[in-house]
Amino acid sequence: RKEVEQDPGPFNVPEGATVAFNCTYSNSASQSFFWYRQDCRKEPKLLMSVYSSGNEDGRFTAQLNRASQYISLLIRDSKLSDSATYLCVVNVQGAQKLVFGQGTRLTINP
Amino acid sequence: DAGVTQSPTHLIKTRGQQVTLRCSPISGHKSVSWYQQVLGQGPQFIFQYYEKEERGRGNFPDRFSARQFPNYSSELNVNALLLGDSALYLCASSLAWGRGDEQFFGPGTRLTVL
Repeated sequence: RKEVEQDPGPFNVPEGATVAFNCTYSNSASQSFFWYRQDCRKEPKLLMSVYSSGNEDGRFTAQLNRASQYISLLIRDSKLSDSATYLCVVNVQGAQKLVFGQGTRLTINP
Repeated sequence: DAGVTQSPTHLIKTRGQQVTLRCSPISGHKSVSWYQQVLGQGPQFIFQYYEKEERGRGNFPDRFSARQFPNYSSELNVNALLLGDSALYLCASSLAWGRGDEQFFGPGTRLTVL
C-alpha cells in the first residue's frame, strides 16, 4: 500500500466549477500535511498547509481528518490558471522527509 | 533573492555512466533534500542533509550517494546509471532540520539515460 494515495485523475472541469481532491495516508505518525501545486515541467510549490481545524486561503479550502487519515482540498470558482497537478504531501515526525502522493492532474476548460 | 538553484538543467547519459548533480540552497538555509520524480508520479525522497551530515535516506540503492559542503550546497551522485534512473531530480532547501520547516524546491535537473 502506498504511504500517500490520491486519485490520479485527470479531472477536466469547466471554468467556475468547484472541484474537490481527496487523499489518504497510511502512517499514523504523520504530523504535517500539505498540498503542493506543480505546473507542467516545473518544480512543486507549496499551495497550503493543512491543519486539523481546517484552513482556507481565498478560493482554496483544506481539511484534515486524523481519525480517518484523510486530507482534502476544495477549489471554488475555478480559474484557467488553476490547471496543474495537485500533490498531497505528508511529513512524518522525526523522519523529516516529505512523502508525496502521485498527484492529481486538473485541467480547467474555458 | 535567489531561490534554490540546480545544475545542469538537462543531462543525457548512457547506461553504466556516472552523473553528478548540483544544488545551491536559498541563502541562510542549512538543510538540503533530494527527490526523484519519475514521469507521472510524485517526487520520491532520496536523501536529506543538514550541517553536512546525512539525516535521512530513502529507499534507493547504494548507487545513489550525496554530500553537503561547508557552504551548504550539495551534490547528488548516481553511479552505474540504469534506464530507470531517467527522471527529474529535485533539490529542496529548508532553514533547519527536525522542525517541519517549509521546503523550497529548485527547478530540477532532467536526466535522460539512453
